[in-house]
Amino acid sequence: DAGVIQSPRHEVTEMGQEVTLRCKPISGHNSLFWYRQTMMRGLELLIYFNNNVPIDDSGMPEDRFSAKMPNASFSTLKIQPSEPRDSAVYFCASSPGQGPYEQYFGPGTRLTVT
Amino acid sequence: AQSVAQPEDQVNVAEGNPLTVKCTYSVSGNPYLFWYVQYPNRGLQFLLKYITGDNLVKGSYGFEAEFNKSQTSFHLKKPSALVSDSALYFCAVRDNYGQNFVFGPGTRLSVLP
Repeated sequence: DAGVIQSPRHEVTEMGQEVTLRCKPISGHNSLFWYRQTMMRGLELLIYFNNNVPIDDSGMPEDRFSAKMPNASFSTLKIQPSEPRDSAVYFCASSPGQGPYEQYFGPGTRLTVT
Repeated sequence: AQSVAQPEDQVNVAEGNPLTVKCTYSVSGNPYLFWYVQYPNRGLQFLLKYITGDNLVKGSYGFEAEFNKSQTSFHLKKPSALVSDSALYFCAVRDNYGQNFVFGPGTRLSVLP
């Protein structure tokens, strides 16, 4: 299996622009997670889907952030408008489902907002 | 609510010496416990997990972890550290309803040659 796929790997954009991050989970995995990692705040859970349905979005920082999972093989995280403080590494992870399953992380998208 | 503490931001150990990275947790019910490792510019990689049964679990790269229910701890150990073990280590917990993961803040391990 190719593992969790994220694109792009790097994104540089200007403040105010829309940014879309993409994730393809491992085939057959029912749970998908979006995380943000910064030096200051560490690893933060943004949102968690199970069977394509958002279960917990309490970590989404504000209305500028939105996430969708239109089908079992694709998810997006959108930031509109972007701000410099959104600069971070964004990880997507998938898991076979709820229960004693580990998560499998993608390589991350490094976002820089200037 | 679930929580995970990793009391040490940084652990330094000499190559060949045993290493321990500490983790304590708080969760309702029985926990599922995990350790992950992150190398520079990479995603987190799963090392090992505890679900039930034997308190000592073995994982990848010679790592093991000991579950202690009375102390609510799940410390990561390795008998002989390698320089290549230098990385950021995360402990995580999931309650047995299988909902959300909660990660600790991470511990940076430096193995000195």
